[in-house]
Amino acid sequence: DTGVSQNPRHKITKRGQNVTFRCDPISEHNRLYWYRQTLGQGPEFLTYFQNEAQLEKSRLLSDRFSAERPKGSFSTLEIQRTEQGDSAMYLCASSLVIGDRNEQFFGPGTRLTVL
Amino acid sequence: AQTVTQSQPEMSVQEAETVTLSCTYDTSESDYYLFWYKQPPSRQMILVIRQEAYKQQNATENRFSVNFQKAAKSFSLKISDSQLGDAAMYFCAYLEGYGNKLVFGAGTILRVKS
Repeated sequence: DTGVSQNPRHKITKRGQNVTFRCDPISEHNRLYWYRQTLGQGPEFLTYFQNEAQLEKSRLLSDRFSAERPKGSFSTLEIQRTEQGDSAMYLCASSLVIGDRNEQFFGPGTRLTVL
Repeated sequence: AQTVTQSQPEMSVQEAETVTLSCTYDTSESDYYLFWYKQPPSRQMILVIRQEAYKQQNATENRFSVNFQKAAKSFSLKISDSQLGDAAMYFCAYLEGYGNKLVFGAGTILRVKS
């Protein structure tokens, strides 16, 4: 399978715990995006990387959130001191940007439940 | 900031019939891209169709086509010959001209009746 993969698919944690999600993009895709989707809503942008550089962060990304993409390959999204409001689906997408073409391919998501 | 509005929370269509999903957006840019994504229940989001704003011709992909009205900032999706597998949440999305983030609407749930 050469699509975008995300692990874990589901995560249940207690409030105050730290969690880390992983995203493996499609090989050779130079951009990687993180979105958050709450129930019944469309995804909201969190952050994106161009290769290993994090180029933009949404105001939704509080200080408790950190994302990395070492070596421009896989990416991790860490949430520290989780809160119940962090419960959501976290989606990763990757794209190969050529000129102004940017078609994003999405992974299956990680569903986070904070108790 | 760009916004995307989908005014139909839910739509139903009979199998083999045609349905149109509405989307409007707000932007001050002249060059941009629009997309329709499909998210089946518990499955990942997939791209249905894309439209470049500089193209006057409406995009088509098999049974899926769009009605792009740039002046009205309207971007509707028409699904012809609806199939049971078309049942899903459909999201309209806007991409900035130089390709940063997608801005999504709230989605429309499409139900297909057999």
